[in-house]
Amino acid sequence: GENVEQHPSTLSVQEGDSAVIKCTYSDSASNYFPWYKQELGKGPQLIIDIRSNVGEKKDQRIAVTLNKTAKHFSLHITETQPEDSAVYFCAARLDTGRRALTFGSGTRLQVQP
Amino acid sequence: KAGVTQTPRYLIKTRGQQVTLSCSPISGHRSVSWYQQTPGQGLQFLFEYFSETQRNKGNFPGRFSGRQFSNSRSEMNVSTLELGDSALYLCASSSAQGAWANVLTFGAGSRLTVL
Repeated sequence: GENVEQHPSTLSVQEGDSAVIKCTYSDSASNYFPWYKQELGKGPQLIIDIRSNVGEKKDQRIAVTLNKTAKHFSLHITETQPEDSAVYFCAARLDTGRRALTFGSGTRLQVQP
Repeated sequence: KAGVTQTPRYLIKTRGQQVTLSCSPISGHRSVSWYQQTPGQGLQFLFEYFSETQRNKGNFPGRFSGRQFSNSRSEMNVSTLELGDSALYLCASSSAQGAWANVLTFGAGSRLTVL
């Protein structure tokens, strides 16, 4: 089955700096890669996703890049703000009728004001 | 529109008891998935239901079961509770069709503590 590794487990940045979280996956058939943000006491919230026919996707301060050859994908947050502080999870799955996501272990991002 | 609603939000049980958790998906969503979240194991897939049929199951013992009703609401049940079942149980729904078929929207979860 799929295995997703995520690094780093914790990340502390100064407000305004950029943050990068990296994930690798094992199943070359996976073709859907979402990123979720989980705040304290809440469920994970989708912030951006990418499919394997795309190498990069941006949404305001957030971007995701995908390297299918190397089987890794990354989340980039620019101009970080204190409200970006949360736990971020990457995930991967095969884009078929099966909808089970395999999640990474999470990155706790702390943005220092 | 309303998001994914999970009840109860918090509950405490003792070993050997059973528990039933409920999930109301986003209106119009026909797929409901359940995940277990623990500090040690992270987010792990339990099962997925679509149109009242279980179409995918994770690697959990038979004590974990679920069902989906005709209105797409879902319940999961854990019997003979063990201390290790303490976790946040997350429900996620998706439309399972069209351009948004892949997008899972999660509820806030039900936090189960087993004593």
